[in-house]
Amino acid sequence: DAKTTQPPSMDCAEGRAANLPCNHSTISGNEYVYWYRQIHSQGPQYIIHGLKNNETNEMASLIITEDRKSSTLILPHATLRDTAVYYCIVRVVNTNAGKSTFGDGTTLTVKP
Amino acid sequence: DGGITQSPKYLFRKEGQNVTLSCEQNLNHDAMYWYRQDPGQGLRLIYYSQIVNDFQKGDIAEGYSVSREKKESFPLTVTSAQKNPTAFYLCASSPPGRGDGNTIYFGEGSWLTVV
Repeated sequence: DAKTTQPPSMDCAEGRAANLPCNHSTISGNEYVYWYRQIHSQGPQYIIHGLKNNETNEMASLIITEDRKSSTLILPHATLRDTAVYYCIVRVVNTNAGKSTFGDGTTLTVKP
Repeated sequence: DGGITQSPKYLFRKEGQNVTLSCEQNLNHDAMYWYRQDPGQGLRLIYYSQIVNDFQKGDIAEGYSVSREKKESFPLTVTSAQKNPTAFYLCASSPPGRGDGNTIYFGEGSWLTVV
């Protein structure tokens, strides 16, 4: 699985959009981009994933660059409860499993 | 409710003792994983299993062992050979890969403290 690079920390004002970047310059054509978040001492929670098209669900939007070497997770109206560690990973599709490596993620702090 | 259950939530172990962490899932997922997380750090893969009776080492398998005798169960044993076992342990599972990806789902974790 390709490695990802994320900034260690970011701040965001409550009510504003939070834009979290992820670099995955060695991504392969058969790898999806996945985003998770983890609130302290809990299991990571799935947010969204995509292959090459932009995706949106009730939690967030995912913007993937045309060359697929980077992506941005957007939380459109951040709340205090969005304060968490956000992980960006890549995973091969159409396989039964395979190891998935999580880095240190980005600690997002939403401030009042 | 469907999900991944880890037990116990908190466990204390004396140095030199083996301890087994339980992970059960009723999601009918083929693949299961164990991750370790140290305070302020990311997740590191210990072992993963794609099917019953098969498993592979992850990045930090030394001092750990697993078994996969049933589809729904993937227990992790932390042996006395693990030099620094105090950590937060996370179990996860994922369904077979399909055209829309194969999302990993996590349990709530187990805290292991060596005293």
